[in-house]
Amino acid sequence: DIVMTQTPLSLSVTPGQPASISCKSSQSLLHSDGKTYLYWYLQKPGQSPQLLIYEVSSRFSGVPDRFSGSGSGTDFTLKISRVEAEDVGVYYCMQGIHLPPYTFGQGTKLEIK
Amino acid sequence: QVQLVESGGGVVQPGGSLRLSCAASGFTFSSYGMHWVRQAPGKGLEWVAFIRYDGSNKYYADSVKGRFTISRDNSKNTLYLQMNSLRAEDTAVYYCARYTVTTSGIDYWGQGTLVTVSS
Repeated sequence: DIVMTQTPLSLSVTPGQPASISCKSSQSLLHSDGKTYLYWYLQKPGQSPQLLIYEVSSRFSGVPDRFSGSGSGTDFTLKISRVEAEDVGVYYCMQGIHLPPYTFGQGTKLEIK
Repeated sequence: QVQLVESGGGVVQPGGSLRLSCAASGFTFSSYGMHWVRQAPGKGLEWVAFIRYDGSNKYYADSVKGRFTISRDNSKNTLYLQMNSLRAEDTAVYYCARYTVTTSGIDYWGQGTLVTVSS
């Protein structure tokens, strides 16, 4: 199975400041079709996960442009340009290249200072 | 808008069975693959099972293979997860989630239903 490793596991950010989360996969997520199947989700407190970023860098419908994704192969990053209070929660990366199973990172908890 | 509503969770003894349902609305259910993903209390996300839009292919996590069965009824816009031989480690919130070709991944999630396996 592909192992997804996120760092850091927690971070505390002042509103208006940037934040960055790293996700590394144990195998390349680049498919022969040219797409890279890496996703980012946010699970707000008491809610189900919501899709933020798909295929490394494409923002899902309704996701604010302060969220951006980058990376290739096995190394990926989610960046929030200016953190807002509503961004608190746990962020997960997920690989979708190999099924079964889809695998998730451990999660990164974002708190506001 | 896309809605996924899970039901069927509850408390069950080890070795028991439970069937979860996920009622879909707001989209053409028969055109989408569907997943079950679970989350143990205070833990991260664990993928459980996937079924293609027409039910032709099914995939399972090793941890549930042989015990859980994913199925769907496209005439009722409903996804199911039959869970047998339940263990304490199956205790979790179970989410149904939609797969879309547009993103080639999971886009929408239900609100989840809690399954507790305890004597």
